[in-house]
Amino acid sequence: GAGVSQTPSNKVTEKGKYVELRCDPISGHTALYWYRQSLGQGPEFLIYFQGTGAADDSGLPNDRFFAVRPEGSVSTLKIQRTERGDSAVYLCASSSTPGQGVSEQYFGPGTRLTVT
Amino acid sequence: AQSVTQLGSHVSVSEGALVLLRCNYSSSVPPYLFWYVQYPNQGLQLLLKYTTGATLVKGINGFEAEFKKSETSFHLTKPSAHMSDAAEYFCAVSDTNFGNEKLTFGTGTRLTIIP
Repeated sequence: GAGVSQTPSNKVTEKGKYVELRCDPISGHTALYWYRQSLGQGPEFLIYFQGTGAADDSGLPNDRFFAVRPEGSVSTLKIQRTERGDSAVYLCASSSTPGQGVSEQYFGPGTRLTVT
Repeated sequence: AQSVTQLGSHVSVSEGALVLLRCNYSSSVPPYLFWYVQYPNQGLQLLLKYTTGATLVKGINGFEAEFKKSETSFHLTKPSAHMSDAAEYFCAVSDTNFGNEKLTFGTGTRLTIIP
């Protein structure tokens, strides 16, 4: 079956603009994670969804960042008033039902965001 | 809080030589430990993971890692490097809080294979 997909693959935007990044998880996966990978760094956790609810948003850097998953499948990461420091690769991962042993997280290819 | 330290941001080995990528972790609870590989312009792929049980874990592509609690280490090894192993490798830790398995990653090690 299809893996995790993310769109767009690349996004260039001007400072101050609003952007939306989309993640389509593997069908049936209830858990969804967003990470951000800056140049030369490992991915950093942003937010975790279990179903439709954000169970842990402790990694969101500030209130310009917001994410939704209204139907428990597709998720959108929204960034308001973008800043140059937001430039990074945004990764999405999904996994099957947690709490039944450790679930493998399957990662998408990422969206490369460049803020000019 | 959990953390991961990967010693050596760049490692070069000759084709056929031993690969050793180092990872040390810090965790206040028994950790789950992972190694991921990232090829250029591709997503992260799980190589192997340690949860409980046997401390020597075998993964894909001939890689293995050993969990050493006394040393808080989870080093990745492969007996004989292949050109196709050239990639970025990330060690990660997750705590045993069922339901939220968010990963904390190290900064990565770029592996170069010398022909």
